[in-house]
Amino acid sequence: DIQMTQSPSSLSASVGDRVTISCRAGQSISTYLSWYQQKPGKAPKLLIYAASSLQAGVPSRFSGSGSGTEFSLTISSLQPEDSATYYCQQSYTGPWTFGQGTKVEIK
Amino acid sequence: EVQLVESGGGLVQPGGSLRLACAASGFRFRDSWMSWVRQAPGRGLEWVANIKQSGTDEEYVDSVRGRFTISRDDAKNSLFLEMHSLRVEDSAVYFCARDDVDETFGFDIWGQGTVVTVSS
Repeated sequence: DIQMTQSPSSLSASVGDRVTISCRAGQSISTYLSWYQQKPGKAPKLLIYAASSLQAGVPSRFSGSGSGTEFSLTISSLQPEDSATYYCQQSYTGPWTFGQGTKVEIK
Repeated sequence: EVQLVESGGGLVQPGGSLRLACAASGFRFRDSWMSWVRQAPGRGLEWVANIKQSGTDEEYVDSVRGRFTISRDDAKNSLFLEMHSLRVEDSAVYFCARDDVDETFGFDIWGQGTVVTVSS
C-alpha cells in the first residue's frame, strides 16, 4: 500500500496569511493526487485533482502543486471559512490511501 | 441535483451484520465507479471498497476483505455495502462517494454519511 504522509498535523494562522500543507507519497504516484477539505460533521469536499487542477466552484485562493512523491496545497490568503481539516489522497494504485489530515485553525 | 444519500447505519453487537445503502441521483450512476469511505470517531479518512461499472470488478482494503461485500443495482441507482463479522474497530461514519476515474481521479461526489456503531 502507498503511504501518504502530511505535514504539519495542525497549524494556526491569521486571516490573510499564506498557508502551505505538504503531502509526501511513499512511492512515485505521478500526479494522481487529490486534496479534500472537511469541516466538522460534514462530508469531505474535493478541492484539487490531478495534483494542480482546481475543482469547479472552488475559490482560486486554493492551489496545488507537485508530482512524483512531493505535493503541496497552498491557500494564498486564508479566510475564516477555510478553518477545516485537509486531506491528500492518491489514486495511482489500489488501495486508494489518504494522508492523516492537517487541521487548519484561524488565530 | 447531484446527490448521494446513505442509509442503514445503526448500533450492532460485535460479530453482527449490517447492510448499508446509498441512493444516487443527478448523474450517470451506471457509468460511474463507486466507493465506500469511512471515518472512525476523531480519526482520518479510510477508503474501504469500490466497484466498477456494471459490477464487473470490486476491490477492498485488507482489513475488510472477506467480511464486507460491495454491490450495486444500476436499475435503482443504488450502491450497497454488506458488512458481516463486525468488529469494534469498524465503528465509523460510512460515506459513499463517486470514484471519478474518467476526469478527476478523485472522489468528486459524497453523501452525508451514515453512522455505524459496533458495541456490546
